[in-house]
Amino acid sequence: DTEVTQTPKHLVMGMTNKKSLKCEQHMGHRAMYWYKQKAKKPPELMFVYSYEKLSINESVPSRFSPECPNSSLLNLHLHALQPEDSALYLCASSPRTETNTGELFFGEGSRLTVL
Amino acid sequence: GQNIDQPTEMTATEGAIVQINCTYQTSGFNGLFWYQQHAGEAPTFLSYNVLDGLEEKGRFSSFLSRSKGYSYLLLKELQMKDSASYLCAALTDSWGKFQFGAGTQVVVTP
Repeated sequence: DTEVTQTPKHLVMGMTNKKSLKCEQHMGHRAMYWYKQKAKKPPELMFVYSYEKLSINESVPSRFSPECPNSSLLNLHLHALQPEDSALYLCASSPRTETNTGELFFGEGSRLTVL
Repeated sequence: GQNIDQPTEMTATEGAIVQINCTYQTSGFNGLFWYQQHAGEAPTFLSYNVLDGLEEKGRFSSFLSRSKGYSYLLLKELQMKDSASYLCAALTDSWGKFQFGAGTQVVVTP
């Protein structure tokens, strides 16, 4: 299994809603990532989890809250978002070891629209 | 700061060769990655260089010069399905921090 699975594929939410994006991989990868991508722009790093611990937070607003319940799962909890947060949210994993990060394996993304 | 530059768009005909250049200036460097992204889809990994030189993988090759902060991706025998955005990404630390370039849109014409 070489897939990173993200759900839902599409999400529409109001500014007062609370929702979550989910990501799952069964490749035994020990690093998992959340990226945000706007149209015709490169992916922007949000969070990195390494061995289930948050290792990088790229100064992301607190209305985005990541969670890594175990080595296969990564969630992104959303609350009180703004319309400018509408974007494609990509989850990725990499076969991180002590000496090598390895390439990113991306999921298909969750396309979020905030009304 | 971090800066990764690549051309915005390149056009080539089917069967031709295209070279996409990428220059980078980053505070740390642990390798240079190339990804392909079709419209509306997730990026997929193409190649990786950490040492100077050329890596060849079928129709795709990638080159790195660490002293010059320069890489290129070479696409040979272009096919219509190669029309996509090609992202250059530098791994800037040992924690998994990838910095992406803005992407080069390659358009393959018949």
